[in-house]
Amino acid sequence: GAGVSQSPSNKVTEKGKDVELRCDPISGHTALYWYRQSLGQGLEFLIYFQGNSAPDKSGLPSDRFSAERTGGSVSTLTIQRTQQEDSAVYLCASSLTGTDNEQFFGPGTRLTVL
Amino acid sequence: DAKTTQPPSMDCAEGRAANLPCNHSTISGNEYVYWYRQIHSQGPQYIIHGLKNNETNEMASLIITEDRKSSTLILPHATLRDTAVYYCIVRVPWSDSWGKLQFGAGTQVVVTP
Repeated sequence: GAGVSQSPSNKVTEKGKDVELRCDPISGHTALYWYRQSLGQGLEFLIYFQGNSAPDKSGLPSDRFSAERTGGSVSTLTIQRTQQEDSAVYLCASSLTGTDNEQFFGPGTRLTVL
Repeated sequence: DAKTTQPPSMDCAEGRAANLPCNHSTISGNEYVYWYRQIHSQGPQYIIHGLKNNETNEMASLIITEDRKSSTLILPHATLRDTAVYYCIVRVPWSDSWGKLQFGAGTQVVVTP
C-alpha cells in the first residue's frame, strides 16, 4: 500500500517568507509525527498528533513554527518568517496508534532558506 | 529518557555479520531498546525492538545483556543495501513522551564488497 507522502519534496524560499509543508500519513494511521534533520542538529522531534490533537508540541523550536492536522489525516507544518537556520529536511511519520512500536517515515521535504 | 552511546562508524564486509553495539548504561526498568536505520536520502526505517529478551525478525537480531546496560544489533548477512546510519533509541512505553523518538548521532555503517 501507499506509504507516507510529503510535499513538496524540495522548497527554496527567501528569508522572511512563510512556508507550508504537507504530510499525508498512511491511511488509517491515527498518530502523526514531525521531525527535522539538519547538519548541525541531527534528527529532532518537533510535534506529535494523536487524531487532530497535539499532546506533545515540545520540540517546536519557536513560535514561528506551528502545525495542524485536520480530519485525522493530512497535516501541515507552517513556518512563518523563515530564517536561514530553518534550512533542513522536514520528515513526517505516522503510526497506526499512538502506542505503536513502529513509526513509518516519509521521504521528507528539503527546505532551503536563502 | 536514558541516553545511548554508539560508535560513530564501522565497516563491514558484504556477506558477513555486522554487529552494532549500543551502550545504555542508565536505562531504567521500563525502557525498551529500539533500533532504526536511515539509508541516505530516505526517512528512517524501524528495524527491531526489545525489553530484556533477545529478539529476532526478518531484518535483524537484537541481543540485550542481562543487566540491560548494553545491546547489540546483528545483521546476519550484510548486503550493500544495508549501508546506512543505525540509531539505537530507548523509549518508555505508554508515557507522555512515547510518541517522541529521540535520535542520537547513530553509527554510520558502510558495507563493502
